[in-house]
Amino acid sequence: AQKVTQAQTEISVVEKEDVTLDCVYETRDTTYYLFWYKQPPSGELVFLIRRNSFDEQNEISGRYSWNFQKSTSSFNFTITASQVVDSAVYFCALSEAEYNAGNMLTFGGGTRLMVKP
Amino acid sequence: ETGVTQTPRHLVMGMTNKKSLKCEQHLGHNAMYWYKQSAKKPLELMFVYSLEERVENNSVPSRFSPECPNSSHLFLHLHTLQPEDSALYLCASSPGLTPEKLFFGSGTQLSVL
Repeated sequence: AQKVTQAQTEISVVEKEDVTLDCVYETRDTTYYLFWYKQPPSGELVFLIRRNSFDEQNEISGRYSWNFQKSTSSFNFTITASQVVDSAVYFCALSEAEYNAGNMLTFGGGTRLMVKP
Repeated sequence: ETGVTQTPRHLVMGMTNKKSLKCEQHLGHNAMYWYKQSAKKPLELMFVYSLEERVENNSVPSRFSPECPNSSHLFLHLHTLQPEDSALYLCASSPGLTPEKLFFGSGTQLSVL
């Protein structure tokens, strides 16, 4: 069975600090996909990134970066120079590629990030 | 205009009421989903529809009844709910069933008294 663990339930930082959100996953599949979503106070989850299990290159998108380490089953997310607008709940999720029903995402419990001015 | 619209945003109902949640997507997607987000549990997938056919039902109690009349609309009919069913119910859509990004609505915050 697949499982996603986000050990940090809540993080509070001051604006302009860097912050890393941890994600550890478990799966028996060799082919899988990892995701990060952001849930602002308005409620809808917003897609941030999808990474497949064969691509271990780190990715950077503006102030966001992701570190995928297969050896430690981790897919951590770093926000550089955090801003108040980054305040939200962030979810890491896993999907096993072979599942024929597709998009059977297993979500972690989420990390609530509060960025104070 | 958002791609996935859910109504109502908030709903309070008694345990004997019958109500329905509505979801509409304007993205031309073929797959739609219901997720439940409660305070003490991770997001749980409830139902998956592809081209109006249900492809997954994750052991959801029969007091929740989904309906997908066409690929743009998804309903969740509620009857004789329990207080523990109080949660945020999120609808999502995707182009197909392969593991790709989901587009979520803002959810319906349901309170069962």
